[in-house]
Amino acid sequence: GQQLNQSPQSMFIQEGEDVSMNCTSSSIFNTWLWYKQEPGEGPVLLIALYKAGELTSNGRLTAQFGITRKDSFLNISASIPSDVGIYFCAGRYSGAGSYQLTFGKGTKLSVIP
Amino acid sequence: DAGVIQSPRHEVTEMGQEVTLRCKPISGHDYLFWYRQTMMRGLELLIYFNNNVPIDDSGMPEDRFSAKMPNASFSTLKIQPSEPRDSAVYFCASSLMGPYEQYFGPGTRLTVT
Repeated sequence: GQQLNQSPQSMFIQEGEDVSMNCTSSSIFNTWLWYKQEPGEGPVLLIALYKAGELTSNGRLTAQFGITRKDSFLNISASIPSDVGIYFCAGRYSGAGSYQLTFGKGTKLSVIP
Repeated sequence: DAGVIQSPRHEVTEMGQEVTLRCKPISGHDYLFWYRQTMMRGLELLIYFNNNVPIDDSGMPEDRFSAKMPNASFSTLKIQPSEPRDSAVYFCASSLMGPYEQYFGPGTRLTVT
């Protein structure tokens, strides 16, 4: 099946720093989504992207749908301790016969106060 | 509004026993998804329903797994007989008018000894 490469796998940052993570695929995707998962909880949808080049913000979070349709990135500005968690990218590739989302393996974010 | 509700939150059972996981989707959502999450494999889609009808069950690992959706507000995932390798967190998610913006429940952590 399709695979998403998400990087970095983990990151440790100081409170107040900006964060950037990305997701790439070898296939064209027509939808990109970003989720955050905290311990003991289910993933929570942060941002959904539907068009190549689309740039969408949700508070301090900004995500973009890559022009090539094979990548997406998520930025978090001025990180705070509650940003800690695992961030997953997910997408539906254009050749999918059913409505399946493919998930990346996640980026684990730790914020040092 | 209530989100996706899953029960139980934790289940510990012995190998060979039957396990039933339950899900109540968000009211009005017409898609329901069952996922399994493990450290090794990440989030994997098991099966999804549209308007209570199973659409794609290609992710169901074996015949020991079965899922039903008798009405729009309830779904079950059953494992019979359970095996230690079934230990994982099982998530239910629902969405409205399409499979993209999925809203996840808190998950059921299953441990099979």
